[in-house]
Amino acid sequence: AQSVTQLDSQVPVFEEAPVELRCNYSSSVSVYLFWYVQYPNQGLQLLLKYLSGSTLVKGINGFEAEFNKSQTSFHLRKPSVHISDTAEYFCAVDTGRRALTFGSGTRLQVQP
Amino acid sequence: GAVVSQHPSWVICKSGTSVKIECRSLDFQATTMFWYRQFPKQSLMLMATSNEGSKATYEQGVEKDKFLINHASLTLSTLTVTSAHPEDSSFYICSARASLAATDTQYFGPGTRLTVL
Repeated sequence: AQSVTQLDSQVPVFEEAPVELRCNYSSSVSVYLFWYVQYPNQGLQLLLKYLSGSTLVKGINGFEAEFNKSQTSFHLRKPSVHISDTAEYFCAVDTGRRALTFGSGTRLQVQP
Repeated sequence: GAVVSQHPSWVICKSGTSVKIECRSLDFQATTMFWYRQFPKQSLMLMATSNEGSKATYEQGVEKDKFLINHASLTLSTLTVTSAHPEDSSFYICSARASLAATDTQYFGPGTRLTVL
């Protein structure tokens, strides 16, 4: 069975500072990895995904993530955050079933 | 990107009644739709996988007789919560994808907040 661990439930950061949201996964098979963002009372929006190829993936809104197979990690980064980035961020894996297994989420709180 | 809608966006009902939630893919045909539920401040948990024209596949612990899923067309799946109780109050989110190819994106609906009194 696969699982996804997001180590930080909340990450406070000041505006224009860099941020990293951590995600680790466990799976006995190859996985596809995703990061989604959820704004209050809304559904999920895809930020980026890793399927194969380059381990550095660039997504929307200036976010990027790096797949590290040896460390089974897929951390999300942004060099300079904005107030509008305040939201819940979910890491997820697809082991081939096409349904997603989600992490518990990280609340990014950007402060002025 | 593709659009998935849900209706209603929120619903309040009395205990014992049934509630139907619709999930539509507006600009693509969805061979597969997924239903998730999300409790406050928690992650999304997969409830079932729905393929057009066939019976839904439910995750372990999800009562198929309580959560009826119908995927009658390539653009519509419905989730009916039968005899709802307060513990069924949750945020229900559907997602849809055009195919099962790994490269195909899964698009999420905006969610339906169900409150059972």
